[in-house]
Amino acid sequence: GAVVSQHPSRVICKSGTSVKIECRSLDFQATTMFWYRQFPKQSLMLMATSNEGSKATYEQGVEKDKFLINHASLTLSTLTVTSAHPEDSSFYICSAKGPGRLNTEAFFGQGTRLTVV
Amino acid sequence: AQSVAQPEDQVNVAEGNPLTVKCTYSVSGNPYLFWYVQYPNRGLQFLLKYITGDNLVKGSYGFEAEFNKSQTSFHLKKPSALVSDSALYFCAVRAPNSGNTPLVFGKGTRLSVIA
Repeated sequence: GAVVSQHPSRVICKSGTSVKIECRSLDFQATTMFWYRQFPKQSLMLMATSNEGSKATYEQGVEKDKFLINHASLTLSTLTVTSAHPEDSSFYICSAKGPGRLNTEAFFGQGTRLTVV
Repeated sequence: AQSVAQPEDQVNVAEGNPLTVKCTYSVSGNPYLFWYVQYPNRGLQFLLKYITGDNLVKGSYGFEAEFNKSQTSFHLKKPSALVSDSALYFCAVRAPNSGNTPLVFGKGTRLSVIA
């Protein structure tokens, strides 16, 4: 139980285009989802926290108009990188928490490698 | 504020030898502590966690960790390392009853197991 699926696993896009990354909780209701960004050989940097049905809370320095987060249902959150540029190339990881015993830890997706050319 | 320190960027160990990956934490109250492993271009895989109870926690793939409250440490250990254990390891902490706050991660320690 507590499986999180992230799609796509890797994507290459042209500069100026937008890319959508999906994060799904397959067997539980994800009341909260987190989006992280990871630079090569570095730790995870929290970008934003989203609760189902409400606006995401962005960390300082993260542009909310550039990284659009939608958490419209209890099983799906999306991160859209708008007008992508090469500096947005990175590894993006989502994680989800659920109610009850599923709230003590976070469950992670497989990650998405974004390359902007 | 919560924080996690992983003092070693890299740990090298010979196959078959015991391994230790260090982690210390800072949090108000009794912590929830976690270890995750990450293979190249993959998400994080859960290894083990300490919430309450026995200080020695056993997890996946033969790993274990010991919660030491006096030293605020949660070092990851394995009695006999495998080459396949080579990966990036993250320690994380969360304060109990902290609602939907995210885990706070250490910077990671790269483990290399040499045959």
